[in-house]
Amino acid sequence: EAAVTQSPRNKVTVTGGNVTLSCRQTNSHNYMYWYRQDTGHGLRLIHYSYGAGNLQIGDVPDGYKATRTTQEDFFLLLELASPSQTSLYFCASSEGLGLAETLYFGSGTRLTVL
Amino acid sequence: QQQVRQSPQSLTVWEGETAILNCSYENSAFDYFPWYQQFPGEGPALLISILSVSDKKEDGRFTIFFNKREKKLSLHIADSQPGDSATYFCAARMNYGSSGNKLIFGIGTLLSVKP
Repeated sequence: EAAVTQSPRNKVTVTGGNVTLSCRQTNSHNYMYWYRQDTGHGLRLIHYSYGAGNLQIGDVPDGYKATRTTQEDFFLLLELASPSQTSLYFCASSEGLGLAETLYFGSGTRLTVL
Repeated sequence: QQQVRQSPQSLTVWEGETAILNCSYENSAFDYFPWYQQFPGEGPALLISILSVSDKKEDGRFTIFFNKREKKLSLHIADSQPGDSATYFCAARMNYGSSGNKLIFGIGTLLSVKP
């Protein structure tokens, strides 16, 4: 079973604050993703990466930066947090370009921006 | 614009009934449709999936019916159990080749199975 670990589990910050969400996967997957989950919107892709040093823009990237430092580690950065970024954030990983590949999700980070 | 639509947003069935969750999409280029199941406090996990070349996929009590012409699919959960109570997400993949495969998710259906 693929393992994806997110930290912290919960985070509270203030408007304008600087936040980093961390994700580590230990299955040598090539692809890693950051999604946000909001009621009425489902899961929306923020950024994703297909290897160390690579970054691809997702569907809702505004206000977010991401960095893939190693095969295992993918970070999501909010440099000037706003209340609209209050959400449940999920990291996921997958092997690659398989015809019917599986995304493995972490347990999520709940971020509150006051 | 929601590219993947799900209905209903919430569904309640009795134990033993068949739950039917619906999904539709806009883009003919989608080629792969997984369904993810999410329990409270957890991340989504793959439940069952189908490729656009098939019209049906079964896995135990779970069946996907796929209609490519109408751009619709549905997840049928036979003999529903209280343990099936969860949020179910329909997703569709846009294949971007070497830049990776993006999954686009619907808003989810919250299923409640009453004993």
